Amino acid sequence: NAGVTQTPKFRVLKTGQSMTLLCAQDMNHEYMYWYRQDPGMGLRLIHYSVGEGTTAKGEVPDGYNVSRLKKQNFLLGLESAAPSQTSVYFCASTFLPGGASEQYFGPGTRLTVT
Amino acid sequence: GDSVTQMEGPVTLSEEAFLTINCTYTATGYPSLFWYVQYPGEGLQLLLKATKADDKGSNKGFEATYRKETTSFHLEKGSVQVSDSAVYFCALGDSGAGSYQLTFGKGTKLSVIP
Repeated sequence: NAGVTQTPKFRVLKTGQSMTLLCAQDMNHEYMYWYRQDPGMGLRLIHYSVGEGTTAKGEVPDGYNVSRLKKQNFLLGLESAAPSQTSVYFCASTFLPGGASEQYFGPGTRLTVT
Repeated sequence: GDSVTQMEGPVTLSEEAFLTINCTYTATGYPSLFWYVQYPGEGLQLLLKATKADDKGSNKGFEATYRKETTSFHLEKGSVQVSDSAVYFCALGDSGAGSYQLTFGKGTKLSVIP
């Protein structure tokens, strides 16, 4: 039982390049989330999904796109990376939304944009 | 909207010292409250939770009591160990209809020295 996995673990991009971060969970969770973590800012929600084929904007969605084509996968895309997107990105999933059950987090992807 | 305020860190304690990390919240409903812990280089994991007023969550020697009258959920441990060095996040989640997200505090970094 792997839980929540994220690919890749580290990445360096040049400004303007694109990339996709992959999140996969094997717990059959409906709800999945993408966060970014920056020093002094805590975790901020980028996008989330309430089920296969659905996506919704979080607190800081600009510059990111997401897709949930399969229930177990949640992809985060950066179409044209900017230095402000240098951050650590975490994916999470949960069985029930809001406060009803805990969120399970992946190990994170550290992204640097130069 | 909902918000969580944690005491700012970093906090440095000697081994076996008493720990308190303050957390207060504002919420319109009756949220569940959580403490998550992030060890160096890892994702967040649930430490403890409480789902209603006066509930006490506990795990690994840590405790927190849901105080509705003071809108607080302070984290305590009687005797910290070096292995407790981590970043601690207070969070709340509303279980009402249409509530999908957790709201996180900014995190408090704890360092325990031998």
